Amino acid sequence: TQLLEQSPQFLSIQEGENLTVYCNSSSVFSSLQWYRQEPGEGPVLLVTVVTGGEVKKLKRLTFQFGDARKDSSLHITAAQPGDTGLYLCAGGIRAQSNTGRRALTFGSGTRLQVQP
Amino acid sequence: DTEVTQTPKHLVMGMTNKKSLKCEQHMGHRAMYWYKQKAKKPPELMFVYSYEKLSINESVPSRFSPECPNSSLLNLHLHALQPEDSALYLCASSQHRTGTGDDEQYFGPGTRLTVT
Repeated sequence: TQLLEQSPQFLSIQEGENLTVYCNSSSVFSSLQWYRQEPGEGPVLLVTVVTGGEVKKLKRLTFQFGDARKDSSLHITAAQPGDTGLYLCAGGIRAQSNTGRRALTFGSGTRLQVQP
Repeated sequence: DTEVTQTPKHLVMGMTNKKSLKCEQHMGHRAMYWYKQKAKKPPELMFVYSYEKLSINESVPSRFSPECPNSSLLNLHLHALQPEDSALYLCASSQHRTGTGDDEQYFGPGTRLTVT
């Protein structure tokens, strides 16, 4: 069972279009991170959101954390071919102690292809 | 320096071989991770080291043996692997902030492993 579900799984759009990727869960997360991964490379951290309702912007990318901290969205304005990649959300669960630490749980991923 | 390095970048090994994957970071991070990623899937957590001690083993078969010689290095020793173990192996590191389980992780580029 996937703790974090992303939608859509695959998206192919033309350069200049807008898009939104969703990350949903039934669990509450203390924080949520978004990564982008290109083929043959490791994921690269884009942003971390920690407060319910928080909105962060990174150039043409807008990230939002749901009020209940169970979901998040990534909106890209005027997509460019350089935005092509696998977008992964990942949730952190607050540890009770150092020995009880949990690592990130990754979403199922959204593969974005932006055609020139 | 926010770089995590991994060697080798590619590895082909037979089922009877013994090989090791190496990971290094110099960000002063005290948590290090191994992930396995199959094609078109999100990374799956294998191991977590906290302060050079193994804190999480996600029921990984014993043919994978992790080692953390010091706070900057993380190895993954491989022995008697199966073809289905072929995947991208990712190393990551993060700060170890007490009381939280939501550290931002920095990933290496991965080692592409093929078992023949």
